[in-house]
Amino acid sequence: GDSVTQMEGPVTLSEEAFLTINCTYTATGYPSLFWYVQYPGEGLQLLLKATKADDKGSNKGFEATYRKETTSFHLEKGSVQVSDSAVYFCALHPFGRQLTFGSGTQLTVLP
Amino acid sequence: GAGVSQSPSNKVTEKGKDVELRCDPISGHTALYWYRQSLGQGLEFLIYFQGNSAPDKSGLPSDRFSAERTGGSVSTLTIQRTQQEDSAVYLCASSLAPERSSYEQYFGPGTRLTVT
Repeated sequence: GDSVTQMEGPVTLSEEAFLTINCTYTATGYPSLFWYVQYPGEGLQLLLKATKADDKGSNKGFEATYRKETTSFHLEKGSVQVSDSAVYFCALHPFGRQLTFGSGTQLTVLP
Repeated sequence: GAGVSQSPSNKVTEKGKDVELRCDPISGHTALYWYRQSLGQGLEFLIYFQGNSAPDKSGLPSDRFSAERTGGSVSTLTIQRTQQEDSAVYLCASSLAPERSSYEQYFGPGTRLTVT
């Protein structure tokens, strides 16, 4: 079945550090891939998405590239801010079905 | 327009009682999903409605869980004879037709259920 394996957390970084959160997936067909973010006390929000191989999703300085050959969708940001502290979820969305989420990665950015 | 809304925001109930959780999706969204977020289990799919089709109930953990969607809009998730392991945040999401898997799912704020 479909599955998402996400980098274990928690991750603690200093402000302006480089961020990578690894995500790999197993799925049949060609799912769309998403990163969702959950800020403290808030609901899930879409951060970025990619719908086909080699697509790069980007938003708020975050980027992720849909790599079919390595079945990966790693999240990166060149310079994190304190306001980026949140839980990040990688997810895949196969054709006509529900989202399958990774376990989530807690990110804390220290000033 | 308004986003996905859920009520109540918090619910504390005694073990063995029934609870109903409500979701109002975004107007015009034909697909509605219920997920559960709990410690140690992450985000789990529960049930999915699309238009007038029969719902996909493959994620419901037991027959104590059921859901309905009236008039293709509001949905109610019912948990009968609640158990402590049902304690979690129950999330509702809606989207445009899911035949296009690129369509984003918009999430509500969730209902935090605590079973004592």
